[in-house]
Amino acid sequence: AQTVTQSQPEMSVQEAETVTLSCTYDTSESDYYLFWYKQPPSRQMILVIRQEAYKQQNATENRFSVNFQKAAKSFSLKISDSQLGDAAMYFCAYRRGGNYGGATNKLIFGTGTLLAVQP
Amino acid sequence: NAGVTQTPKFQVLKTGQSMTLQCAQDMNHEYMSWYRQDPGMGLRLIHYSVGAGITDQGEVPNGYNVSRSTTEDFPLRLLSAAPSQTSVYFCASSYSGAGYNEQFFGPGTRLTVL
Repeated sequence: AQTVTQSQPEMSVQEAETVTLSCTYDTSESDYYLFWYKQPPSRQMILVIRQEAYKQQNATENRFSVNFQKAAKSFSLKISDSQLGDAAMYFCAYRRGGNYGGATNKLIFGTGTLLAVQP
Repeated sequence: NAGVTQTPKFQVLKTGQSMTLQCAQDMNHEYMSWYRQDPGMGLRLIHYSVGAGITDQGEVPNGYNVSRSTTEDFPLRLLSAAPSQTSVYFCASSYSGAGYNEQFFGPGTRLTVL
C-alpha cells in the first residue's frame, strides 16, 4: 500500500525568507502524481502544485517549487519570499496514475505540516 | 458555477443520533468522495463513487453509509453517531479515468458528537 510521510508537524519562517517542507512517500508504482495542498484557517483545501512522476523537471508555480527526487521517493515544497498569507497547514498527497476506475482518483495524504510566518 | 457545496457547515450531535451530510457538485464530475480530517492524521478516505449507482469503501468506512442516485449528489449518512466520529468532513469531486484530474474540495463540515 502507498504511504505518505510528513515528518515536520510544525515549521516557522520569517516573512520574505525561504522555507522547505519535507515529504516522503512509498509506492511500488511507476505512474503517479504528487500534490501539495494548502489549508488556511478557513479550512478550504487549495491545490498549490502538482508533479507528474514521469516528468523529470521540477514543477514551479510562482513562489512555490518542488524538489522531486523519484529514486529517493522524496517530494519537498519550497516557498520563496514567504508572505503572511502563506501561513497554513500544508498537506502532501499521492495519487496513482493509469486508469483503474475510481481507484485511480484516490488521494493518500500525509499528516500535514503547520507553517507559521513571522512578521 | 458553485463548485462543490456541503451542508451543514457545523453540526453537534448526541451519541446515537443519526444525520446526513450533504454534498453536491455542478461540474458533471463522475468521481465523488468523502474524507475525514483528524488532528495528526491528515485526510482519510471514507467512501467514494465513480458514478450514479456505484459506490465503494475507502480506508475508514465503518459507521458511514453512502449512496449515489444522481451525478450531482453524494450524501454521507451516520446511522448512529459515536464520539469517535467527531471530525471535519470533506467532500471532493473530479473527472474520472486516466490522466490528471484535479479534485475539487468542498468547504468542509465540522461535526461534534457528544
